[in-house]
Amino acid sequence: EAQVTQNPRYLITVTGKKLTVTCSQNMNHEYMSWYRQDPGLGLRQIYYSMNVEVTDKGDVPEGYKVSRKEKRNFPLILESPSPNQTSLYFCASSQNYNEQFFGPGTRLTVL
Amino acid sequence: QKEVEQNSGPLSVPEGAIASLNCTYSDRGSQSFFWYRQYSGKSPELIMFIYSNGDKEDGRFTAQLNKASQYVSLLIRDSQPSDSATYLCAVPPSGSGYALNFGKGTSLLVTP
Repeated sequence: EAQVTQNPRYLITVTGKKLTVTCSQNMNHEYMSWYRQDPGLGLRQIYYSMNVEVTDKGDVPEGYKVSRKEKRNFPLILESPSPNQTSLYFCASSQNYNEQFFGPGTRLTVL
Repeated sequence: QKEVEQNSGPLSVPEGAIASLNCTYSDRGSQSFFWYRQYSGKSPELIMFIYSNGDKEDGRFTAQLNKASQYVSLLIRDSQPSDSATYLCAVPPSGSGYALNFGKGTSLLVTP
């Protein structure tokens, strides 16, 4: 089954404790992206990657890191999480122009 | 930042009626337009895309595009309670490649 997977789906952590949210797609898509979704603010892009070793900032990259060492994986790293990073996070991938497939989401709470 | 604007709603329509969802965008260079549906707590899923001025129909859904007015809409005919969701309009910035700018979404409630 073609899909985008994310882990963990739910995470509660404390301020400053480094964490990684994994994203993997099995569709051989070149483009992958991370979004956060907050009430009243909609979906905002954090980082995206056009291909292996090619990443770039989206609209809200502060406090986040990404890497793209393999085509299928695009982990999101929070080196020192803060409460304002409490959000619902989505990973997405795409091969065709603009048709993005979303993962199931990761709900992160930073205390 | 190129803007994509939607009324947040909620838009409430009775079962069987036509729901009309609207979206305006600021980037005159945008060439393609997407509608995603998002159920509460779930991820967005693509339901329609349109590239050319005019109407595009797919089952109960019709997308309408007017590039001169920078306006795209989604009509849902014979609305069902299962259509109750948030509908996101997405527009790629001109020259952006794969990126998408999303509107904040319109919440639709279809009442039995």
